[in-house]
Amino acid sequence: SQQGEEDPQALSIQEGENATMNCSYKTSINNLQWYRQNSGRGLVHLILIRSNEREKHSGRLRVTLDTSKKSSSLLITASRAADTASYFCAGADSWGKFQFGAGTQVVVTP
Amino acid sequence: EAQVTQNPRYLITVTGKKLTVTCSQNMNHEYMSWYRQDPGLGLRQIYYSMNVEVTDKGDVPEGYKVSRKEKRNFPLILESPSPNQTSLYFCASSLYLAGSIYNEQFFGPGTRLTVL
Repeated sequence: SQQGEEDPQALSIQEGENATMNCSYKTSINNLQWYRQNSGRGLVHLILIRSNEREKHSGRLRVTLDTSKKSSSLLITASRAADTASYFCAGADSWGKFQFGAGTQVVVTP
Repeated sequence: EAQVTQNPRYLITVTGKKLTVTCSQNMNHEYMSWYRQDPGLGLRQIYYSMNVEVTDKGDVPEGYKVSRKEKRNFPLILESPSPNQTSLYFCASSLYLAGSIYNEQFFGPGTRLTVL
């Protein structure tokens, strides 16, 4: 099976700006999760949205999900230098399989 | 402290020499999974386990074996490693609720494997 795709592959913004990244997936999902990874270290969970939800907020994060288009977006508002990282979406099906996107590399400059 | 641990963190080996990467979690999670991460490809799932003695193939299982004899441990075995298995490997665990609801995964720190 194929991996999901993320867009853009890389994003460079200044502190205080918003960062938006998109994710498309190919199979039916139970939920979609977003993770952050700093420089090849372990991934850290950010937010989870279930297949029957359309939008979810957590602090400066906003996630949308469109199951008809098999796509999701992650918005980080008021970016900080500490948000510099790679961001991955992961679709979870109902049987334990996870499909990760290729990731978006975000650089936030002070 | 709730965590997923992996050992070793770094390993350089030669083609054909069997190796095991251990993974252990202390959160009593039912679900555990192995991934490999390669540049430009994101993470690809190798194997996963929904509970003791239950394992299933992910997207890239060829060349790997796993076992789940205890709830806390999920070792990854490469019986005859090859250079194309050079990668960064992550173990993860998750609470699994009835009704097939998969929650957030907790990831280990990663194992960087080089096969010469």
